[in-house]
Amino acid sequence: AQTVTQSQPEMSVQEAETVTLSCTYDTSESDYYLFWYKQPPSRQMILVIRQEAYKQQNATENRFSVNFQKAAKSFSLKISDSQLGDAAMYFCAYQEGGSEKLVFGKGTKLTVNP
Amino acid sequence: KAGVTQTPRYLIKTRGQQVTLSCSPISGHRSVSWYQQTPGQGLQFLFEYFSETQRNKGNFPGRFSGRQFSNSRSEMNVSTLELGDSALYLCASSLAGDRETQYFGPGTRLLVL
Repeated sequence: AQTVTQSQPEMSVQEAETVTLSCTYDTSESDYYLFWYKQPPSRQMILVIRQEAYKQQNATENRFSVNFQKAAKSFSLKISDSQLGDAAMYFCAYQEGGSEKLVFGKGTKLTVNP
Repeated sequence: KAGVTQTPRYLIKTRGQQVTLSCSPISGHRSVSWYQQTPGQGLQFLFEYFSETQRNKGNFPGRFSGRQFSNSRSEMNVSTLELGDSALYLCASSLAGDRETQYFGPGTRLLVL
């Protein structure tokens, strides 16, 4: 079974600084998708970024970018110019091609200090 | 476009009762998935429906069931509630499933006493 591991239960960053959240996954599949979701205190899960495994180029969305290392099965999220509104739980998720099921990591709680 | 909506937002039940949760997907979305979130187990996949058919099911007991209607709205039911069923239940929708990004609703928080 596929597994997703987030080794950092908590992280903190100063406002305007850069932080990187780590995620590793285990799969024998070649067709899959990876996601980072953000869950603020409101508990609403918000999509941050998506990466298709077949794409070598790392995905970026404004201040959010990923470092996708397929051979190492690593998928880290970099947040640049951190803002107070970035404070939340961040979940890394894996989705196998052909399936709707998301497998989530345990999450990383990000604190942004003013 | 309106997002995914879930009702009710909060629910308190007692052990042995049953509960029904509702999810209305984003307009045009045909796939609905359900997840359970608890502090101990994290986020776990319950099941997924597409065009009124269950396509995938997670590792949960038969007390957990669901269905999808012709308008893509979905309900999940939990019978004979146990204390361990206390959780945040999240619904997510996508256009057609398979390679489509899922968008989540605000969740229903269930407390079983």
